[in-house]
Amino acid sequence: DGGITQSPKYLFRKEGQNVTLSCEQNLNHDAMYWYRQDPGQGLRLIYYSQIVNDFQKGDIAEGYSVSREKKESFPLTVTSAQKNPTAFYLCASSTRTLGANVLTFGAGSRLTVL
Amino acid sequence: QKEVEQNSGPLSVPEGAIASLNCTYSDRGSQSFFWYRQYSGKSPELIMFIYSNGDKEDGRFTAQLNKASQYVSLLIRDSQPSDSATYLCAVNGAGANSKLTFGKGITLSVRP
Repeated sequence: DGGITQSPKYLFRKEGQNVTLSCEQNLNHDAMYWYRQDPGQGLRLIYYSQIVNDFQKGDIAEGYSVSREKKESFPLTVTSAQKNPTAFYLCASSTRTLGANVLTFGAGSRLTVL
Repeated sequence: QKEVEQNSGPLSVPEGAIASLNCTYSDRGSQSFFWYRQYSGKSPELIMFIYSNGDKEDGRFTAQLNKASQYVSLLIRDSQPSDSATYLCAVNGAGANSKLTFGKGITLSVRP
């Protein structure tokens, strides 16, 4: 089955620690995205990548970093510089269908700072 | 700043009724419009998208787009308790590399 796999599903972090969230897709999509969702809020774009070895900042990139060394993988590191990292993190990939960028999401990773 | 606004919720309808969810957007150049459903604790899943003015129907769901008035709506006919979820409106700007902007979502509750 084609899809997007995010891991871990739940993650706890102590203040001052960096953590890395994994995102792997086997949909052969070129574009991949990371979103953050806080309770009662919509999705906010952290980083996105249109092709391998290239990525751009989204609306809330501060305190985060990414890499795109392989088409299938787009890991997100939440650094200690991110002051309020507790949130639900969603990875997505997209394909163009009838001229529209259609996003498919992974199951998400819930990060809690202790 | 491109904005996508959805009605503040929650919205409650009885089983079998029509649920009407509305969304407005600020970027007049937007090209495609999406509705996602998100169950509590889960990730969003695509219901449907629309890019031409008018109506698009898929089963019990109908998306309506009016670019002149900059709004898009989702109608859910014969609402079922399983439709209870948060519905996210998302808008894609012009161009192949444009990003998706999401609204905050509206929570729908269907009463048995």
